[in-house]
Amino acid sequence: GNSVTQMEGPVTLSEEAFLTINCTYTATGYPSLFWYVQYPGEGLQLLLKATKADDKGSNKGFEATYRKETTSFHLEKGSVQVSDSAVYFCALFPYGNNRLAFGKGNQVVVIP
Amino acid sequence: DGGITQSPKYLFRKEGQNVTLSCEQNLNHDAMYWYRQDPGQGLRLIYYSQIVNDFQKGDIAEGYSVSREKKESFPLTVTSAQKNPTAFYLCASSIWRAEETQYFGPGTRLLVL
Repeated sequence: GNSVTQMEGPVTLSEEAFLTINCTYTATGYPSLFWYVQYPGEGLQLLLKATKADDKGSNKGFEATYRKETTSFHLEKGSVQVSDSAVYFCALFPYGNNRLAFGKGNQVVVIP
Repeated sequence: DGGITQSPKYLFRKEGQNVTLSCEQNLNHDAMYWYRQDPGQGLRLIYYSQIVNDFQKGDIAEGYSVSREKKESFPLTVTSAQKNPTAFYLCASSIWRAEETQYFGPGTRLLVL
């Protein structure tokens, strides 16, 4: 069935560093792909999405490209700020009966 | 402002007690969802509803119950049968269509006394 996999473990980096969070997926057909962000103590917010192959989603300096050939949707940001510290979730639709499948999430900590 | 509200922000449950978490949306969305979040485990779906008066079990429905009597409301009851209820509970809603973007509430943290 459809699923997403995120790289293991938290990510700690210095301010202005380059951020990459890997996300790969398994799917039949042509799923939509999403990145959600969760700031401490809050709910999730949609960060960006892509609905077909080669689409690039972008928002707040973050980008991710829907790569069908490598079944990936990696999240990138060229220069992170302390305010980017959060948990980032990759997600795929549809999963099962028209549901979202979430990855386990990656904690990102940006140090000044 | 349109959005999803959850209340309370913190909730304490005593042994053997049922508690109900509120979720309200004014986005005119058809679908609503309840997720449970535990540290390091991501989000797990408890129940979801595509339309009023109808709902389906998710992956971890045991010990929980829901109702969907109104389009804007989807309360979750954590029953005494749920032996490990301590978690962060998130409600979400969406338009029920192919490119589904879910919109999340701020969450309720449930703690057991």
